[in-house]
Amino acid sequence: ETGVTQSPTHLIKTRGQQVTLRCSSQSGHNTVSWYQQALGQGPQFIFQYYREEENGRGNFPPRFSGLQFPNYSSELNVNALELDDSALYLCASSRDLSGANVLTFGAGSRLTVL
Amino acid sequence: GQSLEQPSEVTAVEGAIVQINCTYQTSGFYGLSWYQQHDGGAPTFLSYNGLDGLEETGRFSSFLSRSDSYGYLLLQELQMKDSASYFCAVAIYNQGGKLIFGQGTELSVKP
Repeated sequence: ETGVTQSPTHLIKTRGQQVTLRCSSQSGHNTVSWYQQALGQGPQFIFQYYREEENGRGNFPPRFSGLQFPNYSSELNVNALELDDSALYLCASSRDLSGANVLTFGAGSRLTVL
Repeated sequence: GQSLEQPSEVTAVEGAIVQINCTYQTSGFYGLSWYQQHDGGAPTFLSYNGLDGLEETGRFSSFLSRSDSYGYLLLQELQMKDSASYFCAVAIYNQGGKLIFGQGTELSVKP
């Protein structure tokens, strides 16, 4: 079974621009979550999608938005980029909403905002 | 609020045993997970405790005490490749994709 793949792996943007990050979930998984990981910190939950609907959101402003598609792949969009948005963005998929689920993470998209 | 505490760094020698503690304060607690991350790569799942007690998976074991809001990860027969960051993470009821992560413990294994 294929794991979670993310693209792009690295990207550089300037303040005020917009970015779209993409994620393909692991085969058999219908739930996708996105995390932001600043350098030296633990991942912070942004939001999760279950069957194409947002199901839970962390403490992030509305300029962070997402989508999940019928094949369970997902996009994270960030508008009006700020310097503090520079981080590793991780996508994780899981089988369903059970709290006992194992999350399978992708290798992340490293965003630098100048 | 929700918070987890774990030591920021631990150093040990090859072949030794190391324990990484984690205390948490969260609402909707469902279980405690542990993830390993090498140099900013993909976090990988190590262990999950939904009930009190010890779970053993090869060289790694994890323990949970729900009454004490406390858990630990035990790594035995340390190897150089175990040098990585280790995160405890709380799973929230009915939000399976939402984990509340600690700040991480950087483990350095010396020869």
